[in-house]
Amino acid sequence: EVQLVESGGGLVQPGGSLRLSCTASGFTFSSFWMHWVRQVPGKGLVWVSRIYSDGSSTNYADSVKGRFTISRDNAKNTVYLQMNSLRAEDTAVYYCARDLSLSDALDIWGQGTMVTVSS
Amino acid sequence: SYELTQSPSVSVSPGQTASISCSGDKLGDKFAYWYQQKPGQSPVLVIFQDFKRPSGIPERFSGSNSGNTATLTISGTQAMDEADYYCQAWDSSTVIFGGGTKLTVL
Repeated sequence: EVQLVESGGGLVQPGGSLRLSCTASGFTFSSFWMHWVRQVPGKGLVWVSRIYSDGSSTNYADSVKGRFTISRDNAKNTVYLQMNSLRAEDTAVYYCARDLSLSDALDIWGQGTMVTVSS
Repeated sequence: SYELTQSPSVSVSPGQTASISCSGDKLGDKFAYWYQQKPGQSPVLVIFQDFKRPSGIPERFSGSNSGNTATLTISGTQAMDEADYYCQAWDSSTVIFGGGTKLTVL
């Protein structure tokens, strides 16, 4: 079964750091670009970041550029999101998603992990 | 920065056709994608590259994209189709989502 499982969410103070993980199974992870998308509960989807299949290129939303870093370990079938200098407005459910490369569609999504930034 | 605009809500009676629109500057020059999200669940891709359906998505879901507007059409809407729908496009190597449309089937 094709699956993405996120972990690493939790409560963190403003200015703190957190690293999210997303572990893939059921497909050749190293062949696919991967994304992080976030959603404040009750609000819409907001794209965060993307990484190429070999990790050679990354893109970020302006709101997280310079604070968040996406990376991957293809040997572990895992993509990461290192989040530094966290702000209250980063509070959200964070989803990882697979990019169906030829079509650029986000075709598989994880269940999400909640990040709460609060003192 | 590029923006996609969706109406906040659409209502439809069971068995009727629901149309959900998404507007953006010259959106027809880009590919449009649509995602369905039910309460407490993760998004599901229902349309990609304007009109293509992933395997497992019912034929009643269709899409079009021209000019400044992309449209998701659900024919013979069922109660199970009640959900939030998000359009999406790419702009300068970044992903843009619309604000979402809540489809109510009543």
